[in-house]
Amino acid sequence: EAQVTQNPRYLITVTGKKLTVTCSQNMNHEYMSWYRQDPGLGLRQIYYSMNVEVTDKGDVPEGYKVSRKEKRNFPLILESPSPNQTSLYFCASRIGTPNTEAFFGQGTRLTVV
Amino acid sequence: AQKITQTQPGMFVQEKEAVTLDCTYDTSDPSYGLFWYKQPSSGEMIFLIYQGSYDQQNATEGRYSLNFQKARKSANLVISASQLGDSAMYFCAMRGFQSLTGRRALTFGSGTRLQVQP
Repeated sequence: EAQVTQNPRYLITVTGKKLTVTCSQNMNHEYMSWYRQDPGLGLRQIYYSMNVEVTDKGDVPEGYKVSRKEKRNFPLILESPSPNQTSLYFCASRIGTPNTEAFFGQGTRLTVV
Repeated sequence: AQKITQTQPGMFVQEKEAVTLDCTYDTSDPSYGLFWYKQPSSGEMIFLIYQGSYDQQNATEGRYSLNFQKARKSANLVISASQLGDSAMYFCAMRGFQSLTGRRALTFGSGTRLQVQP
């Protein structure tokens, strides 16, 4: 089954404790991205990757890191999480052609206390 | 600047009736794509329908259709014969060139929460 898999689905952590949210897709998609969803703001892009070893900042990259060592994986790293990073996070992937739909993971609800 | 506006925070509709969810957009890019996604209470994002800026016909996918009015810069989603399972958050999104960042990006509206009543 074609899918984007994120782990964990739910995470509660403390301020300053490094964490990684994993994302994996099995569709051989070139393009992957991370979004955060906050009430009243829709989804905002954090980082994206157009292919292996090619990553770039989205609209709200501060406090996040990513890497793309393999085509299928695109982890999101929070080196020192803060309470304002409490949010619902989505990983998405699509083929390289611009106007094609993105496939989203199930979401990761992160709470930083 | 690229912008998507959904002016209806919440909507109610009776089961089996049709409902229109509004979406207006702003872009200077002549080549763009418009998307609608559904987010049920379980949280996942489900792709519903796509309309390209050069498409002559309005997109349709089953009970979903997109009322694309290019001159008005609107891309309203029409759901016919609403079902209880249609209760969800709906997001309009646009992919186009952002002059501010110099890249093509997907921009989302703030969403409309639809509740279908029996």
